[in-house]
Order: sequence, then structure tokens, then C-alpha cells
Amino acid sequence: GQQLNQSPQSMFIQEGEDVSMNCTSSSIFNTWLWYKQDPGEGPVLLIALYKAGELTSNGRLTAQFGITRKDSFLNISASIPSDVGIYFCAGRTSGTYKYIFGTGTRLKVLA
Amino acid sequence: DAGVTQSPTHLIKTRGQQVTLRCSPKSGHDTVSWYQQALGQGPQFIFQYYEEEERQRGNFPDRFSGHQFPNYSSELNVNALLLGDSALYLCASSLTRARNQPQHFGDGTRLSIL
Repeated sequence: GQQLNQSPQSMFIQEGEDVSMNCTSSSIFNTWLWYKQDPGEGPVLLIALYKAGELTSNGRLTAQFGITRKDSFLNISASIPSDVGIYFCAGRTSGTYKYIFGTGTRLKVLA
Repeated sequence: DAGVTQSPTHLIKTRGQQVTLRCSPKSGHDTVSWYQQALGQGPQFIFQYYEEEERQRGNFPDRFSGHQFPNYSSELNVNALLLGDSALYLCASSLTRARNQPQHFGDGTRLSIL
């Protein structure tokens, strides 16, 4: 099935470091969502974006809706061990109801 | 405030059988979407229900069908199960009547086909 390109695929970082990941699409989206999924659980919504250029924060997390409307970025500042998990982006085009998900970024934090 | 709840949490079936998965949306939500998540991949959209009708469908065969009840809860039915149907099935709910309302997920049903 269709999936968005997410990078990096996985990353190991030291506790306290900042993390950046991004998601790209060949289509123009009008909504971007970012989720975190822990093993055995469903995705948990982190941030929702609805306008090109929009920058939204949720604690140590900041996400941006790319100006081209074909990409989105997620930053995590001062990472902690509980940030471990898989981060998914999801986008939706105008006139549809389905979200297309990215391939995921697996984050591992070294204490 | 109850979140999205799904049942059962785990299920084991054999090829050719049929299965029904259930979902209760987050309190106040009126729209339910179903996704299939294979191991190591992102969720794939199956279909969405609103006002008891299938509003949009993803690229899944007719063996996958659903239903939404007047209380907004939903069921996903899969007939003639194949080994490839083994996956985590996720339900997400949202509120169509309100603008810019994101979808929230339940913890899923892990379906294993033997």
C-alpha cells in the first residue's frame, strides 16, 4: 500500500540530545499528523497541523507543516529515555477522509 | 473521558474462517476509521464509517466489510481469512461535525492466522 517517505528510518541518540525527523510526499496535503507508537499499543497523537508554514509545539516536541505542503518535520528537544518508540507521520489530501502513513522512524535513546 | 476501545485484544483464527472486531469511539466522536498495520509498517487505511455508511474505502478486497451502529460504535468483519491477514487492526475515531479534528487510535486487535 501507499506510504509516505520518512527519514531517518531509525536513530540512536544520547539522552539530552535534540532529534529531527521528516516526512515527504508526492502529493499536496492539507493536514499533517504526528503519532508515537509504543510496542503493543496503538499510535498516540502528538501534534496536528492544518496550514502551510504552521509551527506547533507540544512540550519538548515541535512540528512544522512544510511550505510546499508536501512535507512535515518533527523535532524533539532534550530527549529522555521515554522518548523511545516509533514515530509516524500521517497526511491527508483535500477532499478525502483517509490518512496515508509514513514508514516510521524508530528512535532509541541511550541513557 | 473514555478513549477509543477495541475488543478483543488478541485473536487467533485459521485460514478460511471469519472474524469480527469491535470498536467504541472516543466519547463525543461520530466517525470511525479502520486501519491494518502489518509488522514493521505504518497503518494502511481500510475504510471509514460516518452516519452508519461507508464513506471512503482503501485498497482492500470485499472480504473486508464493516458496520457502524447508531451509537457510533463499529465492527470490522473479515471473511475467508488468509495468512496475509495477520496484522494489528486499529480503529481510529474523530468528529466530522467539527472542523480540524484529528483522529485518535485505540490499542488495536492483534489478529493471528494459522
